[in-house]
Amino acid sequence: DAKTTQPTSMDCAEGRAANLPCNHSTISGNEYVYWYRQIHSQGPQYIIHGLKNNETNEMASLIITEDRKSSTLILPHATLRDTAVYYCIVRPHTGRRALTFGSGTRLQVQP
Amino acid sequence: NAGVTQTPKFQVLKTGQSMTLQCAQDMNHEYMSWYRQDPGMGLRLIHYSVGAGITDQGEVPNGYNVSRSTTEDFPLRLLSAAPSQTSVYFCASSYFSGVAGNTIYFGEGSWLTVV
Repeated sequence: DAKTTQPTSMDCAEGRAANLPCNHSTISGNEYVYWYRQIHSQGPQYIIHGLKNNETNEMASLIITEDRKSSTLILPHATLRDTAVYYCIVRPHTGRRALTFGSGTRLQVQP
Repeated sequence: NAGVTQTPKFQVLKTGQSMTLQCAQDMNHEYMSWYRQDPGMGLRLIHYSVGAGITDQGEVPNGYNVSRSTTEDFPLRLLSAAPSQTSVYFCASSYFSGVAGNTIYFGEGSWLTVV
């Protein structure tokens, strides 16, 4: 899986948008960007994934730059329950199934 | 649809004891895997399976055995527990074929302490 770089930690005010960046400058053409999060003491939770178009679901939006070398996960209205470690993972859509987790970004939503 | 179910949630073992962590999924996923997560660290892959009867080693397989006799179940066996195996263990599953994508679903974790 391509290497990703994320900030170690971020703060966000409750009710505001949380924008989590991820750099993946070595991404290959067949690799997707996946986002997972891990709330304290729980199993990782899938959030969203995308290839080159922006994606949105009920949890978040994913913005991928045109050159695909970076992306941003957006939580539009952060709540205290969004406090977690967020992992950006780049990998093919098929094939090897195991996930390689980096250090992620620890998001702290402040009241 | 219960997703991925792990048991037990908490377990304390003495050094040298053996035990099995159970994992079951009801999503008919071909791919199942076990990870361990040490405090403040990311997840590391222990063993995985791409279907019934097929298993393979991950990043940190030593001290663990797995088997996959059915699609639904993927137990993890600790042969002779050591304090270094104190960790949180996560089971995960996903489809293997490309149509359904590469989204992996995790269980809630099993906290194991070896004293």
